[in-house]
Amino acid sequence: QKEVEQDPGPLSVPEGAIVSLNCTYSNSAFQYFMWYRQYSRKGPELLMYTYSSGNKEDGRFTAQVDKSSKYISLFIRDSQPSDSATYLCAMSRHSGGYNKLIFGAGTRLAVHP
Amino acid sequence: GAVVSQHPSWVICKSGTSVKIECRSLDFQATTMFWYRQFPKQSLMLMATSNEGSKATYEQGVEKDKFLINHASLTLSTLTVTSAHPEDSSFYICSAPRASGSDTDTQYFGPGTRLTVL
Repeated sequence: QKEVEQDPGPLSVPEGAIVSLNCTYSNSAFQYFMWYRQYSRKGPELLMYTYSSGNKEDGRFTAQVDKSSKYISLFIRDSQPSDSATYLCAMSRHSGGYNKLIFGAGTRLAVHP
Repeated sequence: GAVVSQHPSWVICKSGTSVKIECRSLDFQATTMFWYRQFPKQSLMLMATSNEGSKATYEQGVEKDKFLINHASLTLSTLTVTSAHPEDSSFYICSAPRASGSDTDTQYFGPGTRLTVL
């Protein structure tokens, strides 16, 4: 079983739709949760960073973490064609120093006009 | 703007040659950097942790003699793929954590280097 599970998609939605992306994980020691956006042939770009459980909102993006269920989500409101990319969840545990990130497989999202 | 740069952005080489990839942190110091490899339509796989002033730490299954890492300064780490073969063709990405002043850290990724070995 992988430490982090993420549906690879692809996910296709019309412009303006609400997008829900999810990851589940098995390691209860994870405390830091991130969402990255990666355009084709580019490096990942940090979108959201959350520590422990709760919600975090930034513009059209909302990240949710439910540690009791080992489940994290990213919601994109009013999706735009420019949101078309691969979305990677990542998480790490605090072990002193800098933490290794464990990535999900990434979900490919296509927003069509 | 970009906080981590990589050079070159793409490289094509013949089988058996060595290729060096540079990763630089811009306007911040990074005593630790990470090197990842990503195959088409797959996620990032951590290869090694680069430590300034000490040896790199490699993940299980990664050949340290093939993927040489040198953390030359607080802003530069290099990955050298020695005696490259077609199966080494991949997208190589580095990242550098930028401390936020607490125990947490945020990792910033470089734009990646696409290596094609003929």
